[in-house]
Amino acid sequence: DIQMTQSPSSLSASVGDTVTITCQASQDVSVFLNWYQQKPGKAPKLLIYDVFNLHTGVPSRFSGRGSGTNFTFTISSLQPDDFATYYCQHYDHLPPGFAFGPGTRVDI
Amino acid sequence: QVQLVESGGGLVKPGGSLRLSCTTSGFTFSQFYMAWIRQVPGKGLEWLSFISSSGSTRKYAASVAGRFTISRDSARNSLFLDMNGLTVEDTAVYYCVRDRHYRDSRMFDSWGQGTLVTVSS
Repeated sequence: DIQMTQSPSSLSASVGDTVTITCQASQDVSVFLNWYQQKPGKAPKLLIYDVFNLHTGVPSRFSGRGSGTNFTFTISSLQPDDFATYYCQHYDHLPPGFAFGPGTRVDI
Repeated sequence: QVQLVESGGGLVKPGGSLRLSCTTSGFTFSQFYMAWIRQVPGKGLEWLSFISSSGSTRKYAASVAGRFTISRDSARNSLFLDMNGLTVEDTAVYYCVRDRHYRDSRMFDSWGQGTLVTVSS
């Protein structure tokens, strides 16, 4: 099974900062990599699919890049609403399977 | 708008059973794959199972295979998760999720608010 790791596990930042989170897969996952945001007590929300594609309504300050085993997720000009936990997630087609990273908490 | 509302969570004893339901609205339920994902409080996300739009294909994570069964009722726009042989490790918030396919892409694009399952004696 493919394992996903994220770093850092948490970070502190200020409004206006640029924040970058790294996600690493134990094997080549091509571009099958999504990112989610979760706020305390709430369900996760899809932000980015297939490495860099913004989901409907997601602000352009969120971005992603990478391929193979190494991926990055960036928030430019951090807003108060962005303080949350972020998860990367890989999916496989054949056979179908899914793996989430352990999450990165972004605190003030 | 898309809405997913879970129900059926609660307190159950180890070895017990529970059925989770998810009522959906705002989209054509019969056209979408659906999934269940859980989250131990304070921990990360774990995919459990998906079911195809027709219901003909079902897959499970190794941690729940043989104990959990996913099903759907398109007439009621509803998704279900039957859970048997519950252990304390199954204590978690369970999310009903729309499993969207777009060309070669696949993503969990809509989530319910979650229902808490607590397994304890």
